[in-house]
Amino acid sequence: NAGVTQTPKFRVLKTGQSMTLLCAQDMNHEYMYWYRQDPGMGLRLIHYSVGEGTTAKGEVPDGYNVSRLKKQNFLLGLESAAPSQTSVYFCASSYLGGEAFFGQGTRLTVV
Amino acid sequence: DAKTTQPTSMDCAEGRAANLPCNHSTISGNEYVYWYRQIHSQGPQYIIHGLKNNETNEMASLIITEDRKSSTLILPHATLRDTAVYYCIVRVAVDSNYQLIWGAGTKLIIKP
Repeated sequence: NAGVTQTPKFRVLKTGQSMTLLCAQDMNHEYMYWYRQDPGMGLRLIHYSVGEGTTAKGEVPDGYNVSRLKKQNFLLGLESAAPSQTSVYFCASSYLGGEAFFGQGTRLTVV
Repeated sequence: DAKTTQPTSMDCAEGRAANLPCNHSTISGNEYVYWYRQIHSQGPQYIIHGLKNNETNEMASLIITEDRKSSTLILPHATLRDTAVYYCIVRVAVDSNYQLIWGAGTKLIIKP
């Protein structure tokens, strides 16, 4: 049972480049989330989904897009990366908003 | 904005009980308190949650005051591996969906 898997684990982008982060969960959870964490701070919610085909904005959605075409996958896209998007990105899933299970994070640097 | 207030850091001796306080004075009646911890920038790990009754599991105990304005997470016999950042979080309902609102947490250092 893999839980929540994030791909890739590390990435360096140049300003203006695009990329997609993949999150996959094998627990049949309805809810999935994307967070970012900056040094010394707690997690901030970017976007979330409460089921296949649904997405909603969180606290800091600007500059990001998401898609949930399959229940087990939640994709986070950066269309035009900026240095302010340098951060650690965490994906999580939960059953109907309860206990959340987190991936190990993606460390993104935008230069 | 976070609905919780926690000390920035705490120390505890190995083998002792670690008591981590949290204030959530604006919590609403149907909002749960959750605790997570994060070790070395890994993905956060769920510890426990509660609404108004005290809760206990294999990892910790959660004591919630009767007025629900504050709570305490208790690690009964702290070990060096419990060194981590501990987050006290209120789960809020936004447009009928649930979100966890994270603060900066408490950095707990267990000392030998």
